[in-house]
Amino acid sequence: KNQVEQSPQSLIILEGKNCTLQCNYTVSPFSNLRWYKQDTGRGPVSLTIMTFSENTKSNGRYTATLDADTKQSSLHITASQLSDSASYICVVSSYQAGTALIFGKGTTLSVSS
Amino acid sequence: NAGVTQTPKFQVLKTGQSMTLQCAQDMNHNSMYWYRQDPGMGLRLIYYSASEGTTDKGEVPNGYNVSRLNKREFSLRLESAAPSQTSVYFCASSSPIAGGNNEQFFGPGTRLTVL
Repeated sequence: KNQVEQSPQSLIILEGKNCTLQCNYTVSPFSNLRWYKQDTGRGPVSLTIMTFSENTKSNGRYTATLDADTKQSSLHITASQLSDSASYICVVSSYQAGTALIFGKGTTLSVSS
Repeated sequence: NAGVTQTPKFQVLKTGQSMTLQCAQDMNHNSMYWYRQDPGMGLRLIYYSASEGTTDKGEVPNGYNVSRLNKREFSLRLESAAPSQTSVYFCASSSPIAGGNNEQFFGPGTRLTVL
């Protein structure tokens, strides 16, 4: 069964600190992996999209990594800001699933001052 | 560009009532989607439309119908609302990007409560 598991479920860090969120997936065949940021009460917004051949992709202070062999991805946030408080969702696309995306449950990040 | 817009933002229904959730996009995207998001679960696809005039079922289509009115608009209808349909509903549209992928853009969501 195609699944996307994220850890931790929630995380609290101090402003200015770094953090790393994890994503493991069992989706096959793999097409691409995305990370979305969802602010409370808003729709998800894309941070990065990585295909099989991409190991790392950055978007400002966000850096995503992908290990297609172990089916793991991480999202690293550098020098966190209060505005980083949100849910971060890992999403995997499979060719076999047509246009459907398989969503993780998300990691809720709280950045405190 | 407004991107993807949804109406209404909030709605409370009684069991058995019907309603239509509206979605529109101004990005000239061919594909549009309806998802629901429930606490402790990932987003789940209800229906999608790969192009104007076509619609297909997603993971959780029961109790819903959709209409792709034109390229811009994709509506979701609940014919007889049930408490199990209490959720946040997101509409999305997508465009092809390099490598054969497609990037999805989401609307702000409709928060629906069925009593």
